[in-house]
Amino acid sequence: DAGVTQSPTHLIKTRGQQVTLRCSPKSGHDTVSWYQQALGQGPQFIFQYYEEEERQRGNFPDRFSGHQFPNYSSELNVNALLLGDSALYLCASSLASGGMTDTQYFGPGTRLTVL
Amino acid sequence: AQKITQTQPGMFVQEKEAVTLDCTYDTSDQSYGLFWYKQPSSGEMIFLIYQGSYDEQNATEGRYSLNFQKARKSANLVISASQLGDSAMYFCAMRERGAQKLVFGQGTRLTINP
Repeated sequence: DAGVTQSPTHLIKTRGQQVTLRCSPKSGHDTVSWYQQALGQGPQFIFQYYEEEERQRGNFPDRFSGHQFPNYSSELNVNALLLGDSALYLCASSLASGGMTDTQYFGPGTRLTVL
Repeated sequence: AQKITQTQPGMFVQEKEAVTLDCTYDTSDQSYGLFWYKQPSSGEMIFLIYQGSYDEQNATEGRYSLNFQKARKSANLVISASQLGDSAMYFCAMRERGAQKLVFGQGTRLTINP
């Protein structure tokens, strides 16, 4: 049973560049959420995708955008990178029909460094 | 607005001892779920245990149990017979009914000493 996978593992970019992070959900899951975790902090919710649409969004600027594909995999795009975007980006998958007990399972994360 | 507070930045425990990690939460919703995750140095968040707001029994999963006190809005994680592999960051998180996002606390770094 394949878990949540993310690529790449590490990424180094410079200010102003654009980046795309990728996520494949756990087998059988149809929902993907993205979180940003700054050093020493808890993860912060960016947005969630279900049925190829953004279902809920956290307090992040429009520079952060996403996409979900028919196979449920997802991408996170960040434009015009700032130094403050340096963080661990975590993808989590879940089952939309799970209700209140719906558990989000996380991938290993992508560590983004902006220089 | 929902909020999670973890007041212990770091905990040091001897191997084989039990440890309690504190978590208090704030929500105006009556229906919500509480989650605990473990994050080793590798970065992956590992799901440990879930407690629903209407669950009458405290949740248990192997060596993990959740001390749920609804009136005090606390959901402390208890790890019995700690092991060296338990050394990691531990996060408490909450999800309200109808919301998709998990709201996390700041985390507690647990170190198990041999």
